[in-house]
Amino acid sequence: DVKVTQSSRYLVKRTGEKVFLECVQDMDHENMFWYRQDPGLGLRLIYFSYDVKMKEKGDIPEGYSVSREKKERFSLILESASTNQTSMYLCASSWDGYGYTFGSGTRLTVV
Amino acid sequence: KQEVTQIPAALSVPEGENLVLNCSFTDSAIYNLQWFRQDPGKGLTSLLLIQSSQREQTSGRLNASLDKSSGRSTLYIAASQPGDSATYLCAVVKETSGSRLTFGEGTQLTVNP
Repeated sequence: DVKVTQSSRYLVKRTGEKVFLECVQDMDHENMFWYRQDPGLGLRLIYFSYDVKMKEKGDIPEGYSVSREKKERFSLILESASTNQTSMYLCASSWDGYGYTFGSGTRLTVV
Repeated sequence: KQEVTQIPAALSVPEGENLVLNCSFTDSAIYNLQWFRQDPGKGLTSLLLIQSSQREQTSGRLNASLDKSSGRSTLYIAASQPGDSATYLCAVVKETSGSRLTFGEGTQLTVNP
């Protein structure tokens, strides 16, 4: 069964900490995405990547960066976590706009 | 900018009822439209994908239709069951956006036994 695995289901971090959210897919997909989901705002795209070492800003990239050193792994980095980054973070991968698979999500709380 | 709207925001029905969830989008230049299901606190599960050249797709008790020219899609659920209770999300891939999805805010469905 194809999978997108997010390293943590729940995470609690302190304001100002550097936070890494990891995502791994086993489907050899070219495209990988990071979304955040908030009540009343829906899912919003943070960053995406079409290939190794390539990245594109989504709708809300401020305060985030990403890394894609290997095809199967896409990391989201919060350089200095803030309370307004408390959210559910969802990783996804796809093949050319088809066959989207989402991870189970990481619920991040910044205190 | 592509906007996706889902109506209603919440729906509660008795078990066995047939129901329709609605999705509309502002830019008809889409590559495909997808319906997802999300259980509380979980990730998204893909239900149906309709390519821009198609009119509908079916999977079991689910049927999704697409009217690209009017910017509308519907998800029909037949003979609803309590296990269908979840949030249903509609998302589109715009022709010029690569493969990025733009989501609606979802319809929260409750099917009562």
